Amino acid sequence: DIQMTQSPSSLSACAGDRVIITCRASQSISTYLNWYQQKPGKAPKVLIYGASSLQSGVPSRFSGGGSGTDFTLTISSLQPEDFATYYCQQSYTTPYSFGQGTNLEIK
Amino acid sequence: QVQLVQSGAEVKKPGASVKVSCKASGYTFTTYDVNWVRQATGQGLEWMGWMNPNSGNTGYAQKFQGRVTMTRNTSITTAYMELSSLTSEDTAVYYCARAYSSGWYGNWLDPWGQGTLVTVSS
Repeated sequence: DIQMTQSPSSLSACAGDRVIITCRASQSISTYLNWYQQKPGKAPKVLIYGASSLQSGVPSRFSGGGSGTDFTLTISSLQPEDFATYYCQQSYTTPYSFGQGTNLEIK
Repeated sequence: QVQLVQSGAEVKKPGASVKVSCKASGYTFTTYDVNWVRQATGQGLEWMGWMNPNSGNTGYAQKFQGRVTMTRNTSITTAYMELSSLTSEDTAVYYCARAYSSGWYGNWLDPWGQGTLVTVSS
């Protein structure tokens, strides 16, 4: 099975900050990498698919990059509504494993 | 709009089974796989498996093999996930999600159901 490791596990930042979350796969997954945002008590929502494609309706301050084993999610200028937990997920092969999550908190 | 609506919360005793439903609307049900993901309180997301609503084919994470069964009823565009031999470790919110796919980009889960809390307690 492919292991997905996110860093950091938690992050404190201020509105307006630029934030980068990383995700590493235990083997190459090409660009079969998705990013999700989850707010408390809500289902996750896809932000980025195929490592760098922005899901329709998602603000352009979110961007994704990387290929192979190393990936990033960047939020260019944090907005109050962005404070949430973020997960990466690989869709290269089943089981479609998730990272452990990054909890983004207000500083 | 594309929507998945899940059945309500369940309370089960250890050793029992639970069956969660996921009603799809707003798209052709048989076109996309349905995945199931669970989340224990305060924990991360755990992928459980997939089902192809057209063929009925399934694939399960090794951890759940022998205990989980994913089925569907195409006439009412509903997917089901049944988990047996429940223990307290199975207490979690269970989500269904459509696996939207593209050969170039792989697949991603969108949308998700609202989640179903399953509590296992004696």
